Amino acid sequence: DTGVSQDPRHKITKRGQNVTFRCDPISEHNRLYWYRQTLGQGPEFLTYFQNEAQLEKSRLLSDRFSAERPKGSFSTLEIQRTEQGDSAMYLCASSSPGEVPYEQYFGPGTRLTVT
Amino acid sequence: DQQVKQNSPSLSVQEGRISILNCDYTNSMFDYFLWYKKYPAEGPTFLISISSIKDKNEDGRFTVFLNKSAKHLSLHIVPSQPGDSAVYFCAASTTGNQFYFGTGTSLTVIP
Repeated sequence: DTGVSQDPRHKITKRGQNVTFRCDPISEHNRLYWYRQTLGQGPEFLTYFQNEAQLEKSRLLSDRFSAERPKGSFSTLEIQRTEQGDSAMYLCASSSPGEVPYEQYFGPGTRLTVT
Repeated sequence: DQQVKQNSPSLSVQEGRISILNCDYTNSMFDYFLWYKKYPAEGPTFLISISSIKDKNEDGRFTVFLNKSAKHLSLHIVPSQPGDSAVYFCAASTTGNQFYFGTGTSLTVIP
């Protein structure tokens, strides 16, 4: 399967703990996106990478959130000192260079539950 | 502040008929629009896109219409099939990268 993969698929953590999620994009895609989705809502943009450069960040991405894409391939999203409000589905997407609008291919998501 | 709105949470349509899903937006600077379909326990799947230089784009059974003056777009599915039953999201962007999504419309196609 050459689609976008995310690991883990589910994560349960206690409030105050740190968590890290991984996203592996489609291999030839140079753009990578992180979104968060809560129940009854659409995905909310968090951040976007082109190769290893983080080009856009949402104001939703508080200081407790950090994302990296060190070699322009896989990406990690870390949440420090988790809060119950962080419980959500975290989605990763990737897209290839080409004509706008960029078709984004989504992974299956990581569901985070903070207890 | 919800910049992209899908005011119908659900829609039921008979198999073979037309499904029309609607989306409104508030930001006149949006130039790129996408529709996604989502099944339970899966990530969204890209369906069709349109940019502001067009008012219509077709791909098989799917057609997206854009009315910039009304800040409105719609997705037409003809003919509707039971496999089309899913949640549909519209999304809009000024740059083609940071997309704002609506809250989704759950489509049920009745055999």
